Amino acid sequence: SQQGEEDPQALSIQEGENATMNCSYKTSINNLQWYRQNSGRGLVHLILIRSNEREKHSGRLRVTLDTSKKSSSLLITASRAADTASYFCATDNRRNTPLVFGKGTRLSVIA
Amino acid sequence: DAGVIQSPRHEVTEMGQEVTLRCKPISGHDYLFWYRQTMMRGLELLIYFNNNVPIDDSGMPEDRFSAKMPNASFSTLKIQPSEPRDSAVYFCASSFGGRGQPQHFGDGTRLSIL
Repeated sequence: SQQGEEDPQALSIQEGENATMNCSYKTSINNLQWYRQNSGRGLVHLILIRSNEREKHSGRLRVTLDTSKKSSSLLITASRAADTASYFCATDNRRNTPLVFGKGTRLSVIA
Repeated sequence: DAGVIQSPRHEVTEMGQEVTLRCKPISGHDYLFWYRQTMMRGLELLIYFNNNVPIDDSGMPEDRFSAKMPNASFSTLKIQPSEPRDSAVYFCASSFGGRGQPQHFGDGTRLSIL
């Protein structure tokens, strides 16, 4: 069953703009992770944020986590055409089960 | 370092045939996961192993699907007999140290059943 739900399903922006994607989940978590999937490739892990963290940065990526609202956001700053991909959130819930992935946000960055 | 290696990358076969997908996880990883991805259903977990032992196969859609992990460096997912609705991209992923740790994915096998 799906735990994370990404929003929006699809996003199209111009190169240089910022892209924000959101993820909502239902049960308590140990951590939340974001992955990227380029067309025809496997998912690639981007960043992990633990339940006791509120914000994390990695290069042009900024992830926030609000456990009271059961939501997370992924911000990509100064987007590039190479950022075009699908982005998935995945939750490590406290039921001792594997990661549960959402259906993803398809990001298109237009040069 | 070598990532997760899957073979074949593409498979086209006729319904009723046996299909075997292969995966070599990252050396030292103790968890291995098999997923299926379709536009309609997204990424579905089929089965996962810990230290070569199947832990949860509740995602395997039917008895036509089976998976094995004879050793730490090799796993197979078999479909017999195959049906057109099995057409999808199948991914293998591995991780180290826990169910909730970051997973490393192969580039998948695109399976088409005619």
